[in-house]
Amino acid sequence: DIQMTQSPSTLAASVGDRVTITCRASQSISTWLAWYQQKPGKAPKLLIYKASSLENGVPSRFSGSGSGTEFTLTISSLQPDDFATYHCLQYNTFARSFGQGTKLEIK
Amino acid sequence: DVQLVESGGGLVQPGGSLRLSCTASGFTFSHYWMHWVRQVPGKGLVWVSRISPDGSSPTYADSVKGRFTISRDNAENTLFLQMKGLRVDDAAVYYCARDFGELPFGNWGQGTLVAVSS
Repeated sequence: DIQMTQSPSTLAASVGDRVTITCRASQSISTWLAWYQQKPGKAPKLLIYKASSLENGVPSRFSGSGSGTEFTLTISSLQPDDFATYHCLQYNTFARSFGQGTKLEIK
Repeated sequence: DVQLVESGGGLVQPGGSLRLSCTASGFTFSHYWMHWVRQVPGKGLVWVSRISPDGSSPTYADSVKGRFTISRDNAENTLFLQMKGLRVDDAAVYYCARDFGELPFGNWGQGTLVAVSS
């Protein structure tokens, strides 16, 4: 099974900051990587798929990059609505696996 | 609008059984791969199982293989997860999710809580 290691587990930042979250796969997954945002008590919401494709309606301040085993999610200028938990997902294999999540907190 | 609504969660004793349902609306259910994903509150997401549009190809995470069965009724637009031999570490919020074209888990339900305790 493919293991996904996400870092950091917690990130404190301020409105307007640029933040980056990293996800590493235990083996190459090409660009079969997605990112989700989750708010407390809610289901995850897809932000990015195929490592860098933005889902419809997602603000352009969100971007993704990477291929193979290393991926990043960048938020260019944090907005109040962005404070949430972010999860990466590999879907290269039928047994999909998530990173452990990154909680983005207000500094 | 696409809607996925889970039901069937509750409190069950270790070793017990539970059947979760996910009722879909707003799209042609029989055309899409469907999944179950679970999450212990405050922890990460874990993929549990998936099923092909025609129900012929169920697959499972190792942690639930042999205990859980995924199925679907395309006439009733409903996805199921039959859970047997439940363990304390199966306790979680269970979400159903749809793959939509290139979008993995493009749509999610609101989740249903399964508690396993004596």
